[in-house]
Amino acid sequence: GENVEQHPSTLSVQEGDSAVIKCTYSDSASNYFPWYKQELGKRPQLIIDIRSNVGEKKDQRIAVTLNKTAKHFSLHITETQPEDSAVYFCAASKGDGNKLVFGAGTILRVKS
Amino acid sequence: GAVVSQHPSRVICKSGTSVKIECRSLDFQATTMFWYRQFPKQSLMLMATSNEGSKATYEQGVEKDKFLINHASLTLSTLTVTSAHPEDSSFYICSAIATANVLTFGAGSRLTVL
Repeated sequence: GENVEQHPSTLSVQEGDSAVIKCTYSDSASNYFPWYKQELGKRPQLIIDIRSNVGEKKDQRIAVTLNKTAKHFSLHITETQPEDSAVYFCAASKGDGNKLVFGAGTILRVKS
Repeated sequence: GAVVSQHPSRVICKSGTSVKIECRSLDFQATTMFWYRQFPKQSLMLMATSNEGSKATYEQGVEKDKFLINHASLTLSTLTVTSAHPEDSSFYICSAIATANVLTFGAGSRLTVL
């Protein structure tokens, strides 16, 4: 089955700097890659997603890139703010209602 | 946007009792819902896929007799933890697909078994 690896497990950045989180997946049939942000004790919230027919997607300070050949995708957060501090999860699925397989998560700390 | 409501948010029970957690899609119909378990500082582990009108599909290692799932309508799925023990204490989160592949999560239920 699908296996998603996520790095780093923790990431500390200074406010205003950029943060990059990387994930790799094993199943070449996967075609949908969302990123979730989870604050302590709360539900994961979708922040951005990308499908396999595009290589990059951007939404304000957040961007995601996908390299299908290498089977990896990355989350980029620019101009980080303290409120960006949370746990971020990447995930992959084959689409059409198939289950999502999550990465292990990255604890992002933005220091002010 | 799509909303998934989950209740209760917190439950404390004695060892040996059963606990039911409800997951409702409020403004959309969900033929498929997913149940996840999350230990502190860990990722979301899929327990089972709940299919309306049919049996749930359990992930390897998840005891179906321990974690009973019922998806009797297009807006409601329930997870019952039977004969709960302290090791079942965890954060349980349900989710549903509102539009193609966009998974919306419930707020989660923190179960503490004494």
